[in-house]
Amino acid sequence: AQTVTQSQPEMSVQEAETVTLSCTYDTSESDYYLFWYKQPPSRQMILVIRQEAYKQQNATENRFSVNFQKAAKSFSLKISDSQLGDAAMYFCAYTGNTGNQFYFGTGTSLTVIP
Amino acid sequence: DSGVTQTPKHLITATGQRVTLRCSPRSGDLSVYWYQQSLDQGLQFLIQYYNGEERAKGNILERFSAQQFPDLHSELNLSSLELGDSALYFCASSERGHPQETQYFGPGTRLLVL
Repeated sequence: AQTVTQSQPEMSVQEAETVTLSCTYDTSESDYYLFWYKQPPSRQMILVIRQEAYKQQNATENRFSVNFQKAAKSFSLKISDSQLGDAAMYFCAYTGNTGNQFYFGTGTSLTVIP
Repeated sequence: DSGVTQTPKHLITATGQRVTLRCSPRSGDLSVYWYQQSLDQGLQFLIQYYNGEERAKGNILERFSAQQFPDLHSELNLSSLELGDSALYFCASSERGHPQETQYFGPGTRLLVL
């Protein structure tokens, strides 16, 4: 079965600095999708960024970028120029190209220090 | 606001009871997903529907059932409730239910079983 592991339960970063959240996954599929979701205190789940496994280029969305290492099954999220509004729980998620089941990591709680 | 609505926002009930959670997807979205977020189990995918048909099933208990109606709204029925069913239940929707699509999450229904 697919598993998603986030080994950092909590992280903190100074405002305006850069932080990297780690995620590893296990799968036997060759084609799949990876996601980072943000859950602020409001509890609303918001998609931050998405990566297709067949694309070698790392996805980027403004201050958010990923480091996707397919061979290592690693999918880390880098947040640049951290802002107070980035404080939230971040979840890494995986889904295969077929079956449509989704697997989430246990989350990383990010604190942004003013 | 994601455009996905869930009712009720909060629900308090007793063990052994049955409840129904309701979800209305974004306008134009044909696929609905249900997730459970609890303290001990984390975020888990329960089930997905596309245009009224079940498309994928995750860690959904036999005491739980769901359906998607012709008007595309969905209901999640939880029966014989146990204390461990206390959780935040999210509904999400996407346009066609393809894995690469963005899922838009509702605000969730917080269920407390006493």
